[in-house]
Amino acid sequence: EAQVTQNPRYLITVTGKKLTVTCSQNMNHEYMSWYRQDPGLGLRQIYYSMNVEVTDKGDVPEGYKVSRKEKRNFPLILESPSPNQTSLYFCASRETWGREAFFGQGTRLTVV
Amino acid sequence: GIQVEPSPPDLILQEGANSTLRCNFSDSVNNLQWFHQNPWGQLINLFYIPSGTKQNGRLSATTVATERYSLLYISSSQTTDSGVYFCAVPTSGTYKYIFGTGTRLKVLA
Repeated sequence: EAQVTQNPRYLITVTGKKLTVTCSQNMNHEYMSWYRQDPGLGLRQIYYSMNVEVTDKGDVPEGYKVSRKEKRNFPLILESPSPNQTSLYFCASRETWGREAFFGQGTRLTVV
Repeated sequence: GIQVEPSPPDLILQEGANSTLRCNFSDSVNNLQWFHQNPWGQLINLFYIPSGTKQNGRLSATTVATERYSLLYISSSQTTDSGVYFCAVPTSGTYKYIFGTGTRLKVLA
């Protein structure tokens, strides 16, 4: 089954404690991206990747890092999380530009 | 950039009713997807519909790209249809999807 898998689904952490949200897709897609969703602000792109070792900033990259060492994985790294990073996060992938996008189940992160 | 305008913003239905949701776009669109975000936050892919009409069970969607709108039809609504319905279009350059604010649907038993 074609899918994008994020882990964990839920996470509560403390300010400053480094964390990683993993994202993996099994469709051999080139494009992957991360979004955050906040009330009143909708979904905003954090980072995207066009292929292995090719990443770029989206609209709200501050406080986040990503890496794309393998085609299937695109982890989101918060080196020093802060409460304003409390949000619902989505990973997405698509085969090529303009094709259908697939979204993960979401990760609900709370930073206290 | 392209603007996505959903309508209506909110909708309350009695179970069994039919409804039509609409997205208008400020510019021509090459590709479009409809998503349902359920009350648990999951984004469920309903349709990838650059143009024409598609049907999947009680749901169907129509996109008229030249007139810059898309419609989502829900027939015989069920309580599990509740949530927020988004249409999303890709943009060039940053390869991101633009999501509208969505239509918040509540289906009452």
